[in-house]
Amino acid sequence: DAGVIQSPRHEVTEMGQEVTLRCKPISGHDYLFWYRQTMMRGLELLIYFNNNVPIDDSGMPEDRFSAKMPNASFSTLKIQPSEPRDSAVYFCASSPRDRNYGYTFGSGTRLTVV
Amino acid sequence: AQKVTQAQTEISVVEKEDVTLDCVYETRDTTYYLFWYKQPPSGELVFLIRRNSFDEQNEISGRYSWNFQKSTSSFNFTITASQVVDSAVYFCALSDLRTGANSKLTFGKGITLSVRP
Repeated sequence: DAGVIQSPRHEVTEMGQEVTLRCKPISGHDYLFWYRQTMMRGLELLIYFNNNVPIDDSGMPEDRFSAKMPNASFSTLKIQPSEPRDSAVYFCASSPRDRNYGYTFGSGTRLTVV
Repeated sequence: AQKVTQAQTEISVVEKEDVTLDCVYETRDTTYYLFWYKQPPSGELVFLIRRNSFDEQNEISGRYSWNFQKSTSSFNFTITASQVVDSAVYFCALSDLRTGANSKLTFGKGITLSVRP
């Protein structure tokens, strides 16, 4: 199994630009999570999906952030427009139906907004 | 509300020393799960262990061991005979099974462990 695949690994963009982060979960996993990691706030859950349906997006910081999961094998997190304070590492994770088995995280996308 | 406290922020040890990483949690739920994750310098998050609230048995996996004590709401992690490769940030996390909610992981702030040769 290739694990959770995120792309790109690094993204540098200018303030105001649209940024799209991508994630391919492990095949067969029912749950997908987007986390953000910053020095100040640590690891924060942004949103999670169950069977492609968003369940809880209360962690999405503001309307500039949106996430979709059009099918079981793909999800995107979009920031439009991006701001310097969005700079962080964004992790995608997936887990099977036995959801407390423990998430498998992707390698993360390091986003820098200048 | 759930909360995970990792009071130690940075620990530095010399190789072969034993080191314990502390984790204290808060939850109102009677059913919950506790986790430890490792984040090496390369940045990925590696799952180490899951423990449910009904199983207080300690667990040992090679040089790693975990001590779960509900009486003190703690889930501590010990590395025996530490090695340089153990240098990483270690996160403790908590999830609950409240009706309608999935097991959103609440993470502690992490402990940076440095093992010197």
